[in-house]
Amino acid sequence: EIVLTQSPGILSLSPGERATLSCRASQSVAGAYLAWYQQKPGQAPRLLIYGTSSRAAGIPDRFSGSGSGTDFTLTINRLEPEDFAVYYCQQYGSSPLFTFGPGTKVDI
Amino acid sequence: TLKESGPVLVKPTETLTLTCTVSGFSLSDARMGVSWIRQPPGKALEWLAHIFSNDESSYSTSLKSRLTISRDTSRSQVVLIMTDMDPVDTATYYCARIFRGFDIWGQGTTVTISS
Repeated sequence: EIVLTQSPGILSLSPGERATLSCRASQSVAGAYLAWYQQKPGQAPRLLIYGTSSRAAGIPDRFSGSGSGTDFTLTINRLEPEDFAVYYCQQYGSSPLFTFGPGTKVDI
Repeated sequence: TLKESGPVLVKPTETLTLTCTVSGFSLSDARMGVSWIRQPPGKALEWLAHIFSNDESSYSTSLKSRLTISRDTSRSQVVLIMTDMDPVDTATYYCARIFRGFDIWGQGTTVTISS
């Protein structure tokens, strides 16, 4: 059964800086079906990246995803105040069908 | 859009029934499916169950024995039944559409398990 681990747990940065978030899978993610979500307090998650590196509709290009196999990265260039949130990675296709990581909080 | 509905408060050992009503797309669309996902207060997202456009389903390994997902295409609804509820099941329950990732989420419904 695939398990996702995210690091760091908390990332303390300032507006304008770059954020690099890591997601590691316990086994290779099938078909690179790896997605990233942003969640703010009291809100449902929002899809940022799907298929490892494709931005969802309306997502600014300061968000980018990369990786393959078991190691994936979400990069946020030039942090904006609205980017401070919790970020989750998620795989699709391995057993179980879907798995979420524990999340990384990007804090000011 | 997707919208969850169901009870706010459930007693321990009771059965929870949640409904997700969708609009703007068809549950029969082969490109899409609907999942239930929950989030205990202050904790991470946990995937529970998924139903495909062909009516096949898939469940979380750890909760499989307690879950049933079904759909009513005519009503555009996906239903999740979860048995033997426990206080640790207190969470916000979301339904979400899968299409290139979970691209559309409901607002969530908060369910508290308490006697």
